[in-house]
Amino acid sequence: EVVMMQPPATLSVSPGEGATLSCRASQSVSSNLAWYQQKPGQAPRLLIYGASTRATGIPARFSGSGSGTEFTLTISSLQPEDFAVYYCQQYNNWPLTFGGGTKVEIK
Amino acid sequence: QVQLVQSGAEVKKPGASVTVSCRASGYSFASSDIDWVRQATGQGPEWMGWMNPNSGNTGYAQKFQGRVTMTRSTSISTAYMELSSLRSEDTAVYYCATGALGSSRRTFDFWGQGTLVTVSS
Repeated sequence: EVVMMQPPATLSVSPGEGATLSCRASQSVSSNLAWYQQKPGQAPRLLIYGASTRATGIPARFSGSGSGTEFTLTISSLQPEDFAVYYCQQYNNWPLTFGGGTKVEIK
Repeated sequence: QVQLVQSGAEVKKPGASVTVSCRASGYSFASSDIDWVRQATGQGPEWMGWMNPNSGNTGYAQKFQGRVTMTRSTSISTAYMELSSLRSEDTAVYYCATGALGSSRRTFDFWGQGTLVTVSS
């Protein structure tokens, strides 16, 4: 099973600042990596797939990069609605696996 | 628009079984696999398995093999997930999800609203 790691568990950022979130895979997942945003009481929302392609309707301030085992989600200028938990998910190998998440909180 | 609507919250005793339903609308039900993902409070999502609504074929995570069964009714565009031999650790929100229509990538583009299953004596 591919283990997905997302340090740190919490990131404190001021509104308007940028944020860089990390995701590391225990083995290569090529570019088969997705990012999700989740707010309290809601289902996750797909942001990025293929490591760097924004899903439909996702603002340009969200960008993804990386391949193999190291991936990054960058939010260029945090808006109030961006404070949430972010998860990465690999879909290169069975079983599909998610990271433990990074909570982006208001500093 | 694609919609997945799940059944309501359940409370079960240890050892019992639970069935969660997921009614699809806004697209051709047979055209996209349905996956089931669960999430315990404060934890990351956990993938349980997939089902192809057209063929009925399934694939389960090894962790759930022998305890989970995914089925469907094509006449009412509804998928079902049954989990048996429940224990307290199965307390979680259970989601159905489907991917990008017409794509083979295994991402979760559309989600149900979630069903809370509580296992308690």
